[in-house]
Amino acid sequence: GIQVEQSPPDLILQEGANSTLRCNFSDSVNNLQWFHQNPWGQLINLFYIPSGTKQNGRLSATTVATERYSLLYISSSQTTDSGVYFCAVEPTGNQFYFGTGTSLTVIP
Amino acid sequence: SQTIHQWPATLVQPVGSPLSLECTVEGTSNPNLYWYRQAAGRGLQLLFYSVGIGQISSEVPQNLSASRPQDRQFILSSKKLLLSDSGFYLCAWSVGFSYEQYFGPGTRLTVT
Repeated sequence: GIQVEQSPPDLILQEGANSTLRCNFSDSVNNLQWFHQNPWGQLINLFYIPSGTKQNGRLSATTVATERYSLLYISSSQTTDSGVYFCAVEPTGNQFYFGTGTSLTVIP
Repeated sequence: SQTIHQWPATLVQPVGSPLSLECTVEGTSNPNLYWYRQAAGRGLQLLFYSVGIGQISSEVPQNLSASRPQDRQFILSSKKLLLSDSGFYLCAWSVGFSYEQYFGPGTRLTVT
């Protein structure tokens, strides 16, 4: 099956700093989503972005489907941004594949 | 708007006991439904998906089974739990394949 790699695996930031999270995938995809898993385990939808660029407040994402990667940008980080960030891809059909995540800790 | 519920939120069960986790979706009709398991806080694995009542597909061989008795109800079951069944179980829905998925709050299962 498709391989999904996220980097970095762990990230510690000072509040107010910016960061870029990366998701590489090994095959073409129909669907790509970014999620934030909060400390209580809830998966929160950030972006549905199989291609192109989207922005939502301090977060933005870019997917370059032809080069098989996606980036999640977090600007002016806050402590509430802490948690694990996942990308998930669907190559074709019905199977979604999740990356192993980036664990982000924002310290005040 | 659509909402997805899971219960129970946490569960501690002895090895060999049965299991039933329930997921229900409100505000949509004929959704695709999914069961995922997350071990050790990382890496969700798709266990089952369903495109309609009574239609279940399994992605990995395991000790678990799933059923969809109603359009917006998805149940995860086991006849006899194993220690390796411990984990965080998440239900999700989408309007179809290649559309955005939305997740429920999850059930944390500990098998002792």
